[in-house]
This record gives sequence, structure tokens and C-alpha cells, in this order.
Amino acid sequence: KQEVTQIPAALSVPEGENLVLNCSFTDSAIYNLQWFRQDPGKGLTSLLLIQSSQREQTSGRLNASLDKSSGRSTLYIAASQPGDSATYLCAVKSGATNKLIFGTGTLLAVQP
Amino acid sequence: ETGVTQTPRHLVMGMTNKKSLKCEQHLGHNAMYWYKQSAKKPLELMFVYSLEERVENNSVPSRFSPECPNSSHLFLHLHTLQPEDSALYLCASSQKVAGLAGTYNEQFFGPGTRLTVL
Repeated sequence: KQEVTQIPAALSVPEGENLVLNCSFTDSAIYNLQWFRQDPGKGLTSLLLIQSSQREQTSGRLNASLDKSSGRSTLYIAASQPGDSATYLCAVKSGATNKLIFGTGTLLAVQP
Repeated sequence: ETGVTQTPRHLVMGMTNKKSLKCEQHLGHNAMYWYKQSAKKPLELMFVYSLEERVENNSVPSRFSPECPNSSHLFLHLHTLQPEDSALYLCASSQKVAGLAGTYNEQFFGPGTRLTVL
């Protein structure tokens, strides 16, 4: 059974810092991995999608990497801003199913 | 309207009430999903509809009844709920990849309905 873990559960950094969020999964047979952002009480916004054949994806100040063999993904945020404050969720899609398995998220606070 | 919309955004109901949540997607997708997000727990997939046919049901209690009348609309009918059903209910949609059985592209989420059961 696929399980997804995100560490740390919460993170507070001063504005301008570069930071890394971690996601690990127990079954390496994944189809893709997706990083989302969720603002308080709101829905999810897709940030980056990495296919199983890819090693990383970049969008602006965000860079996500994937190491399937070790069951890990990282989300790197460069030059953090207060507007980056949110909960970041990772989710994996295993094999040919359409089911996303989510982690519990990392709550990020960027202090001005 | 663009993306995935959900109504109502907030709902308070008693345990004996009957209500419905509505989701509409404007992305031309052919698969829609209901998720439940409770405090301190990962998002849980409840139902999946592909081409208006339910293809997945993760052992959800019968007091939750989904309906997918067409590829753009998804409903979640609620009756005799319990206080522990209070949560954020999220709808999502995606596109099934033609020719690849069971393969779907990334999911796009709506803003959710915050449900409180008294």
C-alpha cells in the first residue's frame, strides 16, 4: 500500500531564504508525482507535475526533483516571499490507476 | 467561469438534513473526483467518475451519494450525516488519456465546500 510522507510538517523562514520541502513514498512504482499549494480554507493549486521518466521540473522560482529509486521528491523554493506562505502537498499516482495518494503537507510560513 | 467551480462554498447542516454539493468543470475534461479533507489527515479520495461512469468508490458510507449527469457536472448528495463528516470537500477533474487504459493527466481542483455538521 502506497504511503506518502512529508517532512517537516511545518516550517518558518525569513523572507529571501531558499528552502527545500521533502516528500517520500513507499512504493517506487509510480506513474507521476504532483506538487500542490493550498491556501487556508481553499482548494488546491497544481504547481508542478513530474512524470516517472523525468528527474525534475521547473516553474519560475520552483524546482521539483524526483528520485524514484529512493522514493523521494523535493520541492525547492528560491528567494522565498511572504506570498509563498501556504500548505504544500505532494501526491503520487501509482501505475495506471487514477488515484492520487496525498501526503499530509508542509505548512510554510515566510516571515517578512 | 473558468477551471473548476464548487457551490456552495460553505454549508452548515443538521444531522437530519438533506443537502447537495455541486461541482462544475469548464476544462473539457472527462473525469471528475470527490475528495474529503479532514483536519490533520491527508486528502482522501471518495469517488471517481470517468465518462460519467463511476469507476472508483473507496468504501464511502452510503450517506454520501454521488451523481454525475454529464462530463461537466458532479454532485454529492448528503443525508443523515454525522458530526465527523465535517470537512472540506474538494472536487477535481482531469483528462483520461486516449489509448492508455486507466491513465489520466494531472488533476485540477476546485476551491472546495467547507461542510459543518451540527
